[in-house]
Amino acid sequence: EPEVTQTPSHQVTQMGQEVILRCVPISNHLYFYWYRQILGQKVEFLVSFYNNEISEKSEIFDDQFSVERPDGSNFTLKIRSTKLEDSAMYFCASSEGSRTDTQYFGPGTRLTVL
Amino acid sequence: AQSVAQPEDQVNVAEGNPLTVKCTYSVSGNPYLFWYVQYPNRGLQFLLKYITGDNLVKGSYGFEAEFNKSQTSFHLKKPSALVSDSALYFCAVRDKTGAGSYQLTFGKGTKLSVIP
Repeated sequence: EPEVTQTPSHQVTQMGQEVILRCVPISNHLYFYWYRQILGQKVEFLVSFYNNEISEKSEIFDDQFSVERPDGSNFTLKIRSTKLEDSAMYFCASSEGSRTDTQYFGPGTRLTVL
Repeated sequence: AQSVAQPEDQVNVAEGNPLTVKCTYSVSGNPYLFWYVQYPNRGLQFLLKYITGDNLVKGSYGFEAEFNKSQTSFHLKKPSALVSDSALYFCAVRDKTGAGSYQLTFGKGTKLSVIP
């Protein structure tokens, strides 16, 4: 069964450093998403991406964040200058197309900012 | 704005007994509703969804959920709990209105513990 994959599983970085989190969505899916879950809190929407552009973003997704689909398979989330409060589990998800479609989530990348 | 409430942080149930994990929602229009499960150190796994039609939705691993529009609820149920069902369960909603809005809004999660 196809699944969303994410690398790395755990990333440790120093405050102020740039990180790139990588995701490979399910191959025939057209919509891609990033969510995050701070330890002990809700899963929160960050951004959705369709047709090579951001279709929706939350208040969390400020200028420090960017997303890109650099090739036909990868979908990345970049944090330019990490802060302590960026420490969280970051989940990538993808869906086929319509709003009734299920979003399938990857296993997550745990980001720890020191 | 849309929101989801899961009123119980933890639910304990004996193996073999029926289980219910509660979820209520708030949206401006009609909802699309989802349940996901998260096992330790794993991602979110899709269990089931309500889009339209029959209010009782059946999903993976013997789980089902009932959409109740008047009570704005979407409780997750299973007739007979297994120890392997122990996990964190998340309810999520997406508003049918709001053209182009695909984001899911999640509840805070309910930890289900099934006791042997």
